[in-house]
Amino acid sequence: AQSVAQPEDQVNVAEGNPLTVKCTYSVSGNPYLFWYVQYPNRGLQFLLKYITGDNLVKGSYGFEAEFNKSQTSFHLKKPSALVSDSALYFCAVRDPNTGGNNRLAFGKGNQVVVIP
Amino acid sequence: EAQVTQNPRYLITVTGKKLTVTCSQNMNHEYMSWYRQDPGLGLRQIYYSMNVEVTDKGDVPEGYKVSRKEKRNFPLILESPSPNQTSLYFCASSLSRAEQPQHFGDGTRLSIL
Repeated sequence: AQSVAQPEDQVNVAEGNPLTVKCTYSVSGNPYLFWYVQYPNRGLQFLLKYITGDNLVKGSYGFEAEFNKSQTSFHLKKPSALVSDSALYFCAVRDPNTGGNNRLAFGKGNQVVVIP
Repeated sequence: EAQVTQNPRYLITVTGKKLTVTCSQNMNHEYMSWYRQDPGLGLRQIYYSMNVEVTDKGDVPEGYKVSRKEKRNFPLILESPSPNQTSLYFCASSLSRAEQPQHFGDGTRLSIL
């Protein structure tokens, strides 16, 4: 079964400082990994994904994530956080070998608070 | 504009009164899915559909029904709602390939009294 762990409930960071949101995963095969962001009263918005290739992937709004197979991690990073980055962040994994259901297994989410 | 539209956005109702949450997408996506979001649990899949007339259960299907008569629409039906179905619900759609990201609606907050 596929699963995701986001160990921290909330991440506090000062504006302008680097932001890291942690994610580890468990799947039986090679994973498809995604990060989504959720702003208040809105649905989830896609940020970036790792399917194959370069372990460092770049996404929307200056975010990037690094895939580490040996540590089964896919941490989200941003070099310089903005107050507008304050939101709920979800990591998700898809095992490509589980048939036609494009089901994503989500972590519980991390609330990011960027302090001015 | 590409979007997934859910209605209603908010609903307060009582136990046992049948309700339907509609979901419509304008991207000609084959795959559609319903999730519920609960604090500390992330999103859990309720039902999914790989195409018209093709639906199947997700992780938490009890108490829910779906239908997929048209490609664009994927309604979620609660035949006899109960308080434990109070939650935030999201509809999502994507192209059928697994590497494609899903597009989410803005959510429907249901309160069952």
